[in-house]
Amino acid sequence: DTGVSQDPRHKITKRGQNVTFRCDPISEHNRLYWYRQTLGQGPEFLTYFQNEAQLEKSRLLSDRFSAERPKGSFSTLEIQRTEQGDSAMYLCASSFDLGGRDFGPGTRLTVT
Amino acid sequence: DAKTTQPNSMESNEEEPVHLPCNHSTISGTDYIHWYRQLPSQGPEYVIHGLTSNVNNRMASLAIAEDRKSSTLILHRATLRDAAVYYCILSVSDKIIFGKGTRLHILP
Repeated sequence: DTGVSQDPRHKITKRGQNVTFRCDPISEHNRLYWYRQTLGQGPEFLTYFQNEAQLEKSRLLSDRFSAERPKGSFSTLEIQRTEQGDSAMYLCASSFDLGGRDFGPGTRLTVT
Repeated sequence: DAKTTQPNSMESNEEEPVHLPCNHSTISGTDYIHWYRQLPSQGPEYVIHGLTSNVNNRMASLAIAEDRKSSTLILHRATLRDAAVYYCILSVSDKIIFGKGTRLHILP
């Protein structure tokens, strides 16, 4: 296993467009997390899944954001009607139960 | 959410031990103490975690105070590759809340 992968690594979009990011966790990990990180700040928790169930969502996750993990494996994070304030690094992490999280390299989103 | 307090930045000389402090006076009995680090332009990397007893792994050691209100991450022999932002985090349910961390500079 090569670790957590994220696709794309970079995305530039115009304000108002929808974007979707994909995360492939480590195969034996049952938990998957999404974070957002802006320059100079630590990652902010967005949401997490245990298998296919979405167990918690941050209040940062407005109704323009939706995340899925349909088969308990990969996950997608969609942002509808993007705004300039959505520009950030979107990080995915996975773990087995409460073990250490393995983070992916992130998807850098730029909204112009 | 239980919070942690870390120095904004620290410096250390290469090949010397580094002690990174973290205060967490409002820690609850079930909170684990996690440490992650983030190298430039990379995602965070798990370092170590513990509950009450001191912990060692190949990367570092974690020393936890007896009252659990503080902890120290110990890098036994710092290298230039250890220059990163180090985050001390208390687990809150199943999510990890990152603060601003300590930026560690390693001097050659």
